Amino acid sequence: AQSVTQLDSQVPVFEEAPVELRCNYSSSVSVYLFWYVQYPNQGLQLLLKYLSGSTLVESINGFEAEFNKSQTSFHLRKPSVHISDTAEYFCAVNSGTYKYIFGTGTRLKVLA
Amino acid sequence: ETGVTQTPRHLVMGMTNKKSLKCEQHLGHNAMYWYKQSAKKPLELMFVYSLEERVENNSVPSRFSPECPNSSHLFLHLHTLQPEDSALYLCASSQGYRGQQFMNTEAFFGQGTRLTVV
Repeated sequence: AQSVTQLDSQVPVFEEAPVELRCNYSSSVSVYLFWYVQYPNQGLQLLLKYLSGSTLVESINGFEAEFNKSQTSFHLRKPSVHISDTAEYFCAVNSGTYKYIFGTGTRLKVLA
Repeated sequence: ETGVTQTPRHLVMGMTNKKSLKCEQHLGHNAMYWYKQSAKKPLELMFVYSLEERVENNSVPSRFSPECPNSSHLFLHLHTLQPEDSALYLCASSQGYRGQQFMNTEAFFGQGTRLTVV
């Protein structure tokens, strides 16, 4: 069975500071990994994904995540956050079936 | 319209009411999902339809009844709900199967229906 762990339920960070949101997964087969962002009372929007190829993936708004197979991690990073990045972030895993397993989410709060 | 559309966005219903949530996707996907998102709880997968057949039913109470008349539409029929059913209900779709292979792409979500049971 697969699982996703997001250890930090909340992460406060000052504007323009770097941030890392942690995601670890457990799976006995190859996985595909995703980060989603959710703003209040909205659905989940895809931020970035790892399907194959380069282990470092980037989003258009400055986020990046690195797939680390040996550490079974897919941490999300941004070198300089903005107030508008305040949202909840979900890590998800899929192993090639219809099942997407989500973590419990990390609430990022960017402080002025 | 593009993407995944859910209606209504907000719904308040009494415990004896019957209502339905609607989801429509214009992405050509053949897998559709209902998720429940409650405060301080993980996202709960409720139902999955693949090629219009229900393939997952995660011990959801019978007061929730899904319907998938075609690969573009998904409904969640609600009756005699309880206050603890109040939550954000999210619909999603993904490419699904092409032949025997499941396409490993992301799931696309709708904006959700905020349901309040009074």
